[in-house]
Amino acid sequence: EAQLVESGGGLVKPGGSLRLSCAASGFTFSSYSMNWFRQAPGKGLEWVSSIDTSTYYIYYADSMKGRFTISRDNAKNSLYLQMNSLRPEDTALYYCARSVELVDAFDVWGRGTMVTVSS
Amino acid sequence: QPVLTQPPSSSASPGESARLTCTLPSDINVGFYNIYWYQQKPGSPPKYLLYYHSDSDKGQGSGVPSRFSGSKDASANTAVLLISGLQSEDEADYYCMIWPTNGWVFGGGTKLTVL
Repeated sequence: EAQLVESGGGLVKPGGSLRLSCAASGFTFSSYSMNWFRQAPGKGLEWVSSIDTSTYYIYYADSMKGRFTISRDNAKNSLYLQMNSLRPEDTALYYCARSVELVDAFDVWGRGTMVTVSS
Repeated sequence: QPVLTQPPSSSASPGESARLTCTLPSDINVGFYNIYWYQQKPGSPPKYLLYYHSDSDKGQGSGVPSRFSGSKDASANTAVLLISGLQSEDEADYYCMIWPTNGWVFGGGTKLTVL
């Protein structure tokens, strides 16, 4: 069974950094594009970033450009999100999800890791 | 601020149909895009339901019943998720998504209450 498990969330002060990880299992990770989303408490979904299988195509939401970096290690079946210059408005549950193509449905989601940015 | 406009809430009774809408801004033509729909229940990640481009280009998520279907109203520049034969388990938040260029955009979500 395909599974994604996020980790690395926690409490960080404004201006700080965190690195989220997403461990994949049960499928051929290298064959899928991967994506990060987030959801602030009580709010709707927000797309964060996407990366294709070869890391040639990488996209970010405008509010994350220059602060967040998505990466993947196909040998370790892992997806990452390096988050710098964190702001209180980055407080959210962060999900990873897979898609067959870069522009495609997200058919498997993790359960998320919570990031809280507060002094 | 969501780019796609969804009514914040909707309600219907068991057995009835629910028609959830997702209106695109005027500079994005609904006819050009695949519209993806997701369902999210409290405490759970989103679940992929279906995508709709046209009657000849659409797809259902794995295990998603056929009573969930998509359509478009070109005159209103709107995508529609129709849920027929409503069941109590359909009570959830529903989100629409598209990829215009260089990134995904979401609707703000509709909370569907099954009365």
